[in-house]
Amino acid sequence: GAVVSQHPSRVICKSGTSVKIECRSLDFQATTMFWYRQFPKQSLMLMATSNEGSKATYEQGVEKDKFLINHASLTLSTLTVTSAHPEDSSFYICSARTLAGNTGELFFGEGSRLTVL
Amino acid sequence: QKEVEQDPGPLSVPEGAIVSLNCTYSNSAFQYFMWYRQYSRKGPELLMYTYSSGNKEDGRFTAQVDKSSKYISLFIRDSQPSDSATYLCAMSSTGNQFYFGTGTSLTVIP
Repeated sequence: GAVVSQHPSRVICKSGTSVKIECRSLDFQATTMFWYRQFPKQSLMLMATSNEGSKATYEQGVEKDKFLINHASLTLSTLTVTSAHPEDSSFYICSARTLAGNTGELFFGEGSRLTVL
Repeated sequence: QKEVEQDPGPLSVPEGAIVSLNCTYSNSAFQYFMWYRQYSRKGPELLMYTYSSGNKEDGRFTAQVDKSSKYISLFIRDSQPSDSATYLCAMSSTGNQFYFGTGTSLTVIP
């Protein structure tokens, strides 16, 4: 299947700093990427939908100024957690949809575990 | 009513058993159906993808979609301890928005 790479896999930062997480589709072009947050033993919570070349669409309750999403190319989307606080500590996962072929297939990155001290 | 319902389990089976995982949904427009396996602290891994109705088999895994009943299943034959994970169902109507089940936690006991 298609490969989605997410980096970094783990990051620890101090409260008040910003952290950037990258999501890359390695062997396909992704017009649409999705960002999720997942708490322990819970399912995926969609944060935003990122479309290449346009502004991201955020889900209700997700602060767009806190979680900055940039989808600059067909293979890269970034999530920046600004002025991080301990309550932002979570597992963040991106996914990407293929541009062609099986339209409905969705591939996930490995996830990034953020710990804010 | 949630778009997708999935029994969270946990489900515990002996090694070699046949495992049946299920999801029901309410939106008749869903046509893309997926099953993911997620190990602890990892991203979900796509196991099976089905478009519209029918069965699909891949090794020990079989996915079934019954659109008339709005019901999808994943069967795992000859289950192994390495199958122990959380299994998520997902579905979409257009491929632009995806709906996930809450996941079923499976433990295969050696």
